Amino acid sequence: GAVVSQHPSRVICKSGTSVKIECRSLDFQATTMFWYRQFPKQSLMLMATSNEGSKATYEQGVEKDKFLINHASLTLSTLTVTSAHPEDSSFYICSARAGNEQYFGPGTRLTVT
Amino acid sequence: AQSVTQLDSHVSVSEGTPVLLRCNYSSSYSPSLFWYVQHPNKGLQLLLKYTSAATLVKGINGFEAEFKKSETSFHLTKPSAHMSDAAEYFCVVSRPLGANAGKSTFGDGTTLTVKP
Repeated sequence: GAVVSQHPSRVICKSGTSVKIECRSLDFQATTMFWYRQFPKQSLMLMATSNEGSKATYEQGVEKDKFLINHASLTLSTLTVTSAHPEDSSFYICSARAGNEQYFGPGTRLTVT
Repeated sequence: AQSVTQLDSHVSVSEGTPVLLRCNYSSSYSPSLFWYVQHPNKGLQLLLKYTSAATLVKGINGFEAEFKKSETSFHLTKPSAHMSDAAEYFCVVSRPLGANAGKSTFGDGTTLTVKP
């Protein structure tokens, strides 16, 4: 089956710094990737839709200048959390679309101290 | 528009007894429906999916779900619970086609506890 990877799996950073999370489709090309955020003991909330070669589409309430998304190739999308604060600590999960199927990455746990 | 409601936030069963996790959905098109499981501090694992083929879908680890259009439901069942089934379960509705294909809406999750 299709595999999606995320790197890093865990990251701890200091408040005010920026963190980049990578999402890769390993054995297929994904014109569309999605980024989700999951707070402790809560469900996943869609943050944005990332389309290769164009600007991401953000969901209502998600700050596009804080969560920078780049989808530079058909196998890679990146999410950069800029000027991270403790309230950004969360589990970030990406998914990649292949045809009518969607495959989720294993997630990245971000802790901002 | 699409939405999904998981009717129980917590379900507790004894090991060896049946499991029923309830999910109702709403969508303005024929949706794709999924069940995912998430163990503590882990990513998502796909249990099964419905994509307009057979209405009774069999998944991994003995789970199955039945798509009932008339009831807009996609309940997850398992005949006999194992201790290892204790986890968080998410029902997900996704748009299968069109410009927003793949855009998924997650239910709030159901925590399954399995008692020995």
